[in-house]
Amino acid sequence: DGGITQSPKYLFRKEGQNVTLSCEQNLNHDAMYWYRQDPGQGLRLIYYSQIVNDFQKGDIAEGYSVSREKKESFPLTVTSAQKNPTAFYLCASSIGVADTQYFGPGTRLTVL
Amino acid sequence: AQSVSQHNHHVILSEAASLELGCNYSYGGTVNLFWYVQYPGQHLQLLLKYFSGDPLVKGIKGFEAEFIKSKFSFNLRKPSVQWSDTAEYFCAGRRGGGATNKLIFGTGTLLAVQP
Repeated sequence: DGGITQSPKYLFRKEGQNVTLSCEQNLNHDAMYWYRQDPGQGLRLIYYSQIVNDFQKGDIAEGYSVSREKKESFPLTVTSAQKNPTAFYLCASSIGVADTQYFGPGTRLTVL
Repeated sequence: AQSVSQHNHHVILSEAASLELGCNYSYGGTVNLFWYVQYPGQHLQLLLKYFSGDPLVKGIKGFEAEFIKSKFSFNLRKPSVQWSDTAEYFCAGRRGGGATNKLIFGTGTLLAVQP
């Protein structure tokens, strides 16, 4: 079954803790992305990666970090420096950055 | 700055009514435009896209959108909605042709279709 998987679906953390969200794709896509979705604000780009071992900051990268050690994996770490981390996080991938993006099911993070 | 605007934040329709959701983008030149849909409890899915060619684009589930360059618009239409069309709809766009042009999303339109 091909596609993009994100785990877990729901995640709860205490304030001040770092948390890592998983994103895996088996579509053989080079590009991967992380977005944050908040009510009434649409999707905002956090980080993206065009290719393995490369990534670029998006519009709201502060308080987040990523790695791209494998083509199929693009984990996102929400650090304690992120002031408002509670949100719905969406991972996406595309063949290349100029191609159509396809989305995973998302992880809803709640920081208590 | 590049932007994508969706003017309808909430739309309520009865079944069989016609739908038109507005989307405007702020940049000129070659553009790539998309409509995505998020059904309740499901992930974001691509409805349709425009890269070039025929400005009237047909997508899945009877949706279509028309790219009007002079109006910087890419409105989504469906002649007769169903209860199952209840979802949140996102317009997105970027400058075309570039390797690092980011996709910009609108704020979304919540559509509720009453049976």
